[in-house]
Amino acid sequence: AQKITQTQPGMFVQEKEAVTLDCTYDTSDQSYGLFWYKQPSSGEMIFLIYQGSYDEQNATEGRYSLNFQKARKSANLVISASQLGDSAMYFCAMRELGYSTLTFGKGTMLLVSP
Amino acid sequence: DAGVIQSPRHEVTEMGQEVTLRCKPISGHNSLFWYRQTMMRGLELLIYFNNNVPIDDSGMPEDRFSAKMPNASFSTLKIQPSEPRDSAVYFCASSLRPGQGTNTGELFFGEGSRLTVL
Repeated sequence: AQKITQTQPGMFVQEKEAVTLDCTYDTSDQSYGLFWYKQPSSGEMIFLIYQGSYDEQNATEGRYSLNFQKARKSANLVISASQLGDSAMYFCAMRELGYSTLTFGKGTMLLVSP
Repeated sequence: DAGVIQSPRHEVTEMGQEVTLRCKPISGHNSLFWYRQTMMRGLELLIYFNNNVPIDDSGMPEDRFSAKMPNASFSTLKIQPSEPRDSAVYFCASSLRPGQGTNTGELFFGEGSRLTVL
């Protein structure tokens, strides 16, 4: 079974609108971490935001927030006020207890139109 | 501060040739990871090191792939002999161990090495 599932291969949004990118995960651990990365067309992987499984508050970083629903095992990324520069691939990833590595989802391509 | 540095950025080679990809992690990071990215399989972990010691190489596709980390500031991923199906972007990443201080174990990625095997 896939540990990280991103069901949206592609998403379109207009500039200045908010968009939610979905991510569900599968783990039996109680302690784990969830990450979102952005990969623009230039190819580099850029860390956006982190949520720990014991964090009581949803993580926020500027225009990025993470809608963490532990019981549903979902960790959706919300981008507010989309900008043209947000057009990129977005990857959700998880680190499980005792591991240093991240397992990545297949990604969602976001296109922001003017 | 310098990030993770990978070389070469692009490599085009012919089937059967040896390919060596290089990585310099961020100074002070004690974990290093090699990932491969393809359209079909996404981002796959090949191998990772903690304190220069290989911990998990179960993602290495086959014996043609090998990785070394002779010291804390350098790692190589070697493919010998290379095949067209090895064509991919290879990323090196480094991190602090999760739990060191307030560290979350975030991975810092290099810009990747795009390999094309003809």
